[in-house]
Amino acid sequence: EIVLTQSPGTLSLSPGERATLSCRASQSLTTNYLAWYQQKPGQAPRLLMYGTSNRASGIPDRFSGSGSGTDFTLTIKRLEPEDFAVYYCQQYRNSPITFGQGTRLEIK
Amino acid sequence: QVQLVQSGAEVKKPGSSLRVSCKASGDTFRSYGISWVRQARGQGLEWMGGIIPMFGPANYAQKFQGRVTITADKSTTTAYMELRNLRSDDTGVYYCARTLAAVVSGDYYHLDVWGTGTAITVSS
Repeated sequence: EIVLTQSPGTLSLSPGERATLSCRASQSLTTNYLAWYQQKPGQAPRLLMYGTSNRASGIPDRFSGSGSGTDFTLTIKRLEPEDFAVYYCQQYRNSPITFGQGTRLEIK
Repeated sequence: QVQLVQSGAEVKKPGSSLRVSCKASGDTFRSYGISWVRQARGQGLEWMGGIIPMFGPANYAQKFQGRVTITADKSTTTAYMELRNLRSDDTGVYYCARTLAAVVSGDYYHLDVWGTGTAITVSS
């Protein structure tokens, strides 16, 4: 199965700053079948991005995704207070679907 | 508005079984698959398997093969996940999620609507 490794484990930033979260796959996702999710405490995950760079419905444009092959990035342009959460990447290039271990984005 | 409403929290004994339901609204059953994802306490997300209701057979992650059964009742638009021979490390929150899927190939893609989550505690 494809292993996804996210970095950093924890990212400490202030509102208004730019956040860059990384996700590396153990083998190439040749079709760029990568998604990102946001999860806040006590809530279900929420889809942010799919197909590497497509924003899900209702997701603000300060969120963007990029990458190809084995290296993918989620960028949050200017952090809002509600963006502090845990973020997971997910690949659907091969079965089984797998998730990264998550990056915790915390307020500095 | 698409919703996935799951059954309530349960406490189970080791060695027993659990069955979680997921009632879907909208066109979920006609056009999508349903995945089940586990989140152990304080941990990440783990895909257990899924089913495409209009297609039929479920697909399971190897880790859970033989211990989990996923089914879907089209008449009630409800999906079910049964996990047998429970252990303490099965404690966590279980989510169902609407999943874009390819009926012909049986491939699962991204999970765009998530259920409310069902907290399961396995303890003697």
